[in-house]
Amino acid sequence: SQQGEEDPQALSIQEGENATMNCSYKTSINNLQWYRQNSGRGLVHLILIRSNEREKHSGRLRVTLDTSKKSSSLLITASRAADTASYFCATAAPLTQGGSEKLVFGKGTKLTVNP
Amino acid sequence: DTGVSQNPRHKITKRGQNVTFRCDPISEHNRLYWYRQTLGQGPEFLTYFQNEAQLEKSRLLSDRFSAERPKGSFSTLEIQRTEQGDSAMYLCASTEGTIYLSRETQYFGPGTRLLVL
Repeated sequence: SQQGEEDPQALSIQEGENATMNCSYKTSINNLQWYRQNSGRGLVHLILIRSNEREKHSGRLRVTLDTSKKSSSLLITASRAADTASYFCATAAPLTQGGSEKLVFGKGTKLTVNP
Repeated sequence: DTGVSQNPRHKITKRGQNVTFRCDPISEHNRLYWYRQTLGQGPEFLTYFQNEAQLEKSRLLSDRFSAERPKGSFSTLEIQRTEQGDSAMYLCASTEGTIYLSRETQYFGPGTRLLVL
């Protein structure tokens, strides 16, 4: 079952505008991650925010986390056509053996940046 | 710096045929994961290896699916008697970790897109 749910499902903006995507999740977390996926390709890790952090920046990306609301947002500033992709939030669910975790993804937000 | 690689990138097969995919993780990563992604959905966990040991399998992994990681390096995922519902992108990811330290970020390969006719 999906843990995170992104909102909106699709977003279309003009180059230069900011894009905001939201993610809600259900259970308590240690961290939340955002990934990008270009059409038909693998996922690229963008940023990880830990449960004791409220905001994190990486270049044109800004991620916020509100554990009381079980939600996160990803802001892309000054968007470019190359930012066109699907964006997924992922939380980690523990695996029963090996001390590892599986990532649980939402359905993603499909972002289109028009030149 | 080589990332995670997967082969083939695309596979078209007829229903009932067997297919095998390969994943080469980042060389120092001892943990390897397979995920499946259907159209319009996020990836879903299939199975996990720590070194050569397959430690967890999702209920999504039916008896027709088998995965191996014989020497703790590359991994293969085989689907026997493929069905149209198996059509999806199969993604491999890797990371490093021990029972004392777990790296949270998983690094994904480009995926193998399977189409079953």
